[in-house]
Amino acid sequence: AQSVTQLDSQVPVFEEAPVELRCNYSSSVSVYLFWYVQYPNQGLQLLLKYLSGSTLVKGINGFEAEFNKSQTSFHLRKPSVHISDTAEYFCAVSPWGAAGNKLTFGGGTRVLVKP
Amino acid sequence: EADIYQTPRYLVIGTGKKITLECSQTMGHDKMYWYQQDPGMELHLIHYSYGVNSTEKGDLSSESTVSRIRTEHFPLTLESARPSHTSQYLCASSGTRDRGGEDYGYTFGSGTRLTVV
Repeated sequence: AQSVTQLDSQVPVFEEAPVELRCNYSSSVSVYLFWYVQYPNQGLQLLLKYLSGSTLVKGINGFEAEFNKSQTSFHLRKPSVHISDTAEYFCAVSPWGAAGNKLTFGGGTRVLVKP
Repeated sequence: EADIYQTPRYLVIGTGKKITLECSQTMGHDKMYWYQQDPGMELHLIHYSYGVNSTEKGDLSSESTVSRIRTEHFPLTLESARPSHTSQYLCASSGTRDRGGEDYGYTFGSGTRLTVV
């Protein structure tokens, strides 16, 4: 079984400032890792994923995340946020075998970008 | 351009009514899922299907039922709605490989926000 912990439930940040959203996971097997974004009144959209290879993963909208196996973390970062980045962000894992099988989500982090 | 469609987007219904939330995808994905999203944002898997005539309960117990008669269609039914069923319901699908040839996780619908009064 897997579990995902997002350490911050809310992150206020000023426009053009950097932001980091923290994600730690627990699993008895190797996992794939994902970050999703949910804009108000919408479904979830994939930001980026780590399947294998380079531990630094670049996604859409200027986001990137780094997989750290020893710390079982997959933190999401953006060097300069925009007002449009205000949304909820979810970290998720799924066991190796087939990406996307039975994702387990963290509790989400709400990012509020202030002008 | 959405590849997975959920209807209705919003539904307000009285206690005791039977409701069906529709979910259809056009990607030919074999796997489909229903998640319940609480007001506090957390997502819980309530049902999943790995193919036609295959359905399983998820991690969170739910009074809803699902069916998978066609690959593209995965409706969720509540026989008798109650206020405790008020929530957002998100449908998702995934395939072994997407059209681009890479695995990429789930594709989500826009959700159905259900309010039972």
